[in-house]
Amino acid sequence: QKEVEQNSGPLSVPEGAIASLNCTYSDRGSQSFFWYRQYSGKSPELIMSIYSNGDKEDGRFTAQLNKASQYVSLLIRDSQPSDSATYLCAVNRYSGGGADGLTFGKGTHLIIQP
Amino acid sequence: DAGVTQSPTHLIKTRGQQVTLRCSPKSGHDTVSWYQQALGQGPQFIFQYYEEEERQRGNFPDRFSGHQFPNYSSELNVNALLLGDSALYLCASSSSTLPTGELFFGEGSRLTVL
Repeated sequence: QKEVEQNSGPLSVPEGAIASLNCTYSDRGSQSFFWYRQYSGKSPELIMSIYSNGDKEDGRFTAQLNKASQYVSLLIRDSQPSDSATYLCAVNRYSGGGADGLTFGKGTHLIIQP
Repeated sequence: DAGVTQSPTHLIKTRGQQVTLRCSPKSGHDTVSWYQQALGQGPQFIFQYYEEEERQRGNFPDRFSGHQFPNYSSELNVNALLLGDSALYLCASSSSTLPTGELFFGEGSRLTVL
């Protein structure tokens, strides 16, 4: 059974601070890793993907992957109230065009306090 | 450029009935996946369609079936509805030429089973 674990929160962070979101996964065969953001009442939106160990930065977002520890994280720098949402971690066995559904965690509810 | 469109947005059914949900993928995308998201949970993979065939299936019973048409649009059918089928049903489109987990979600169809 493939599992993705996240702390459901809520995680409360002051505006301007760094928000740190964490995720662990059980399937050692996982090859690709994703962070989706979901605003209340809306559908998930892809914000970051990472395929290799290390850090990947995109604007205020940094994704970190450690396959040995089966651990993925997302850092949000200079947090803004508009970052308040549920962040879903997802993993996949394929990194290319293979067929497999994503396994999602339950999500972490992030609240940025003005 | 139209994104992923789903219909209907909301619907109410009673136990034992059947429901059909529809999805048009983002322009240029050829792969459609369906996910079920219960309240407070992450999306769960139902199945994926590519080239009009079911390519991969998650842990869902045969009551859940689908179809993909030559124009890449897709339908999700659920027979013999149960109370537990109440959820947000998300359609996600992707391109077979891009990494498999980079999905674009529609706004979903919220199904309530009474």
